Amino acid sequence: QQQVKQSPQSLIVQKGGISIINCAYENTAFDYFPWYQQFPGKGPALLIAIRPDVSEKKEGRFTISFNKSAKQFSLHIMDSQPGDSATYFCALINTNAGKSTFGDGTTLTVKP
Amino acid sequence: NAGVTQTPKFQVLKTGQSMTLQCAQDMNHEYMSWYRQDPGMGLRLIHYSVGAGITDQGEVPNGYNVSRSTTEDFPLRLLSAAPSQTSVYFCASRSDRRGELFFGEGSRLTVL
Repeated sequence: QQQVKQSPQSLIVQKGGISIINCAYENTAFDYFPWYQQFPGKGPALLIAIRPDVSEKKEGRFTISFNKSAKQFSLHIMDSQPGDSATYFCALINTNAGKSTFGDGTTLTVKP
Repeated sequence: NAGVTQTPKFQVLKTGQSMTLQCAQDMNHEYMSWYRQDPGMGLRLIHYSVGAGITDQGEVPNGYNVSRSTTEDFPLRLLSAAPSQTSVYFCASRSDRRGELFFGEGSRLTVL
């Protein structure tokens, strides 16, 4: 049973537009909710992350919105740039144990 | 700091052969883990370790063995390779108290 559902699978956005990727989860045992960015041939790299006691976190053009009651969190990329074209993964991490689970990924293409 | 180093980057095996994927980190992280990444399926946790001498199974452990004799190293062993194990493998580590996972560059394995 998949613990986290990520959508959409792919996304095409014009340069300067807003990219929005969503994740919904079921298990509440996790306490760290990151988004990872992955370029072809590279390992995933942390983009931004949030703890469940915060509803929103912003770092530059990237924002996480977290809705604990709805068990959902989303990544917003403002002023999307062609260099943002990559695959994005949400994840659920239990920092007190070893478990982690990742979404299936969203391929973002930003057209110039 | 090299971060997380994986070797080899590419490997081709025949069905039934065994091999070991190496992973080393120089950040003194307690937690290390192995994931496999298949198209459209995100990253799936194979095995993880919360410290030297301690390992546990993840989501897809069958066909893989791990051990953790030192803090720095966490090798992944394929006992008898099968075509279903064709994938890209990522090793990751994190500090015990922080959620951020640091990934290696990946090892692409093809089993014929």
